[in-house]
Amino acid sequence: DAKTTQPNSMESNEEEPVHLPCNHSTISGTDYIHWYRQLPSQGPEYVIHGLTSNVNNRMASLAIAEDRKSSTLILHRATLRDAAVYYCILRDGAGGTSYGKLTFGQGTILTVHP
Amino acid sequence: DTGVSQDPRHKITKRGQNVTFRCDPISEHNRLYWYRQTLGQGPEFLTYFQNEAQLEKSRLLSDRFSAERPKGSFSTLEIQRTEQGDSAMYLCASSSLSGPKSQETQYFGPGTRLLVL
Repeated sequence: DAKTTQPNSMESNEEEPVHLPCNHSTISGTDYIHWYRQLPSQGPEYVIHGLTSNVNNRMASLAIAEDRKSSTLILHRATLRDAAVYYCILRDGAGGTSYGKLTFGQGTILTVHP
Repeated sequence: DTGVSQDPRHKITKRGQNVTFRCDPISEHNRLYWYRQTLGQGPEFLTYFQNEAQLEKSRLLSDRFSAERPKGSFSTLEIQRTEQGDSAMYLCASSSLSGPKSQETQYFGPGTRLLVL
């Protein structure tokens, strides 16, 4: 899976929007962009994924650049419970095996201030 | 459905001892993964099962490590002759068989934190 680059840390205030960036300049045309987050003392949890179009779900929104070389995870109103490490991961959508390990980077540590 | 469970949640052992961890995936999830996470790092893949078959093993999985999933349901990860470098969080994840990996969602357990003294 291709490599991603994220800032080491970001801070936000409660109830404000948070934009978490991810660069993936070597993304291939078939790579999907996935986001997971890991709350303190818990295993990672799935947040959202997309290919080309922007995506929304109950947890977050994913904005994907037109050239797909970067994406942004958007938390519309951060809460204290959103404090976590956020991981941006590329998943190969081309043929081959139907399963796949997740390749985590170091992620972005999000701190939310009350 | 209570999600992926792991047991024990914490384990302290002395160097040289053997330890075994258990993972119970979400029922009817055919895919099961083991990952290891050291402090300040993201999880690293160890091994993958599809039903009872172990289909991929990382080079991180030395010969002291063995994983099984005998009936395609729960899985165990055993570490023999533990070393201090084995101290880490061991995470299990499961997913359903349908669909390509690009769309796959993995559901993680809370992990087992191992400390080797």
